Amino acid sequence: EDQVTQSPEALRLQEGESSSLNCSYTVSGLRGLFWYRQDPGKGPEFLFTLYSAGEEKEKERLKATLTKKESFLHITAPKPEDSATYLCAVQAGNYGQNFVFGPGTRLSVLP
Amino acid sequence: DGGITQSPKYLFRKEGQNVTLSCEQNLNHDAMYWYRQDPGQGLRLIYYSQIVNDFQKGDIAEGYSVSREKKESFPLTVTSAQKNPTAFYLCASRGTGNYNEQFFGPGTRLTVL
Repeated sequence: EDQVTQSPEALRLQEGESSSLNCSYTVSGLRGLFWYRQDPGKGPEFLFTLYSAGEEKEKERLKATLTKKESFLHITAPKPEDSATYLCAVQAGNYGQNFVFGPGTRLSVLP
Repeated sequence: DGGITQSPKYLFRKEGQNVTLSCEQNLNHDAMYWYRQDPGQGLRLIYYSQIVNDFQKGDIAEGYSVSREKKESFPLTVTSAQKNPTAFYLCASRGTGNYNEQFFGPGTRLTVL
């Protein structure tokens, strides 16, 4: 069965304190791994897609990396506006029709 | 602007009542999805459609129904058979080919009174 877990469940950082969020997955036939940001009461906002081990993507203070078993979302010098829940999802299945989401990591960045 | 719209933003349902949540997209995407989000859980797939007039059940389809008569629209009906419908409902769409990302609407929060 395809599964996605995320850790930690919640993370509190001081402004400027860099850290990483983890997404571990077990899936047959990975087609892609996705990171989303979700603010309270809103729909997830797409951040990155990673397709193969060793791939990296960057956007402002965020950098996503992928290995064969997990992905990391590195946050460098975070600001309070980076506070949100970060969701990880994998796409699998013979036709790529299955998307499995992790429970998310709730990030709080304190000024 | 291209995007996905969901309405209403908030919806209240009485016991035994069917309600329909709207989802419209102008991204020209073929695939559309409905998810349910509960606190502390990942998004769970209710139904998805990869083409007009065709849809498949997801992991938690019981008590829900959908239709896909137009490419742009994928409404979700929450029936009285759904015993615990209070949740945040998210609609998403996805292009085909190399564009695999799902894009989400703003969501509808359904509360049973």
